[in-house]
Amino acid sequence: GDSVTQMEGPVTLSEEAFLTINCTYTATGYPSLFWYVQYPGEGLQLLLKATKADDKGSNKGFEATYRKETTSFHLEKGSVQVSDSAVYFCALWMDSSYKLIFGSGTRLLVRP
Amino acid sequence: DTAVSQTPKYLVTQMGNDKSIKCEQNLGHDTMYWYKQDSKKFLKIMFSYNNKELIINETVPNRFSPKSPDKAHLNLHINSLELGDSAVYFCASSQVVVSGNTIYFGEGSWLTVV
Repeated sequence: GDSVTQMEGPVTLSEEAFLTINCTYTATGYPSLFWYVQYPGEGLQLLLKATKADDKGSNKGFEATYRKETTSFHLEKGSVQVSDSAVYFCALWMDSSYKLIFGSGTRLLVRP
Repeated sequence: DTAVSQTPKYLVTQMGNDKSIKCEQNLGHDTMYWYKQDSKKFLKIMFSYNNKELIINETVPNRFSPKSPDKAHLNLHINSLELGDSAVYFCASSQVVVSGNTIYFGEGSWLTVV
């Protein structure tokens, strides 16, 4: 079935470091791909999305490119801040299943 | 205004009790969902309603019963609560059930069964 695999955390970085959180997916068709963020004690917020191959989603300095050839949607940020500390979820949507399927989440901790 | 609101935010209750979590969205969306987040942060869909009609029921015990009185509301009722029901429950909504549509989540309801 359709699934999402994320790198295990926690990822610990110093402020202003470069961030990459890997995400790969398995799907029988052409899903839309999403990154959601969950700050401590809060709900899920959409960070960015891409709906077709080679699309790049971007928001708040974060970027991810939909790579069909490698079935990946890695999240990147050039310079992280302490306020970016959160859990990041990669997710895919398939029209055939009518649901958003999440990866297991990756906790990011940014130290001053 | 909160787009997707859930109540209560925190709920502590004893095993065997029956409890409800309410959800309302003011986005005019046609589709609403319930997701469960376990202690390891793993998120999984439980139910989905489109125009008040159930379209997804993901092998959830029948102690869990969703109710959608109208398009803007999707409540979750849980009978005979068990310890394993302790989790965060997220309500969500989207405009239509198609690819690329953003799903908006509520802030979550933290349920603890003791």
